[in-house]
Amino acid sequence: EIVLTQSPGTLSLSPGERATLSCRASQSVSSSRLAWYHQKPGQAPRLLIYGASTRATGIPDRFSGSGSGTDFTLTISRLEPEDFAVYFCQQYGSTPPLTFGGGTKVEIK
Amino acid sequence: QVQLVQSGAEVKKPGASVTVSCKASGYTFNSYYIHWVRQAPGQGLEWMGIINSSGGGTRYAEKFQGRVTMTRDTSTSTVYMELSSLRSEDTAVYYCARSSSWYVIYFDNWGQGTLVTVSS
Repeated sequence: EIVLTQSPGTLSLSPGERATLSCRASQSVSSSRLAWYHQKPGQAPRLLIYGASTRATGIPDRFSGSGSGTDFTLTISRLEPEDFAVYFCQQYGSTPPLTFGGGTKVEIK
Repeated sequence: QVQLVQSGAEVKKPGASVTVSCKASGYTFNSYYIHWVRQAPGQGLEWMGIINSSGGGTRYAEKFQGRVTMTRDTSTSTVYMELSSLRSEDTAVYYCARSSSWYVIYFDNWGQGTLVTVSS
């Protein structure tokens, strides 16, 4: 089973700032099969990125994904108020089981 | 628009079973796969398994083998997840989520979640 470790646990930033979130895998994720989601309190997760770098339908271009192998990054170029949430990465290169990271909370500083 | 609408919250005693439903609309039901993912309070996400909406084939995470059963009713575009032998650690929000592939699995739509509380 591939274990995903996200860092930092919490990121305290102001609106307009740049956010950089990390997701590290315990072994290589084949074909860059990694997705990112964000989740607001009381809501279901929402898909942001799949295939490590492809934005999902309707996701603004301030969100970008990069990386391969064991190291992946989600970057939010300029934080909007609605971006403050918990972010999860998920790998689907080696299943079952597909696995999620523990999450990074992006909070308002 | 695509919608996955789940059944309401449940409270169960340890040892009991629970069934959560997920009704799909706004897309061709048989063309997608439905998964169940759970989230314990304040915790991360845990994948439970997948069902092929068309053929009904399933694959479960090893952790839930023997305790989880996923079924579907194509006439109503509804998927069901039954979890048996409940224990307190099963208290969680259970989500259904959709993928377009059996193998390339990321979730482009989610249900609203169903809170299952296991308590004596």
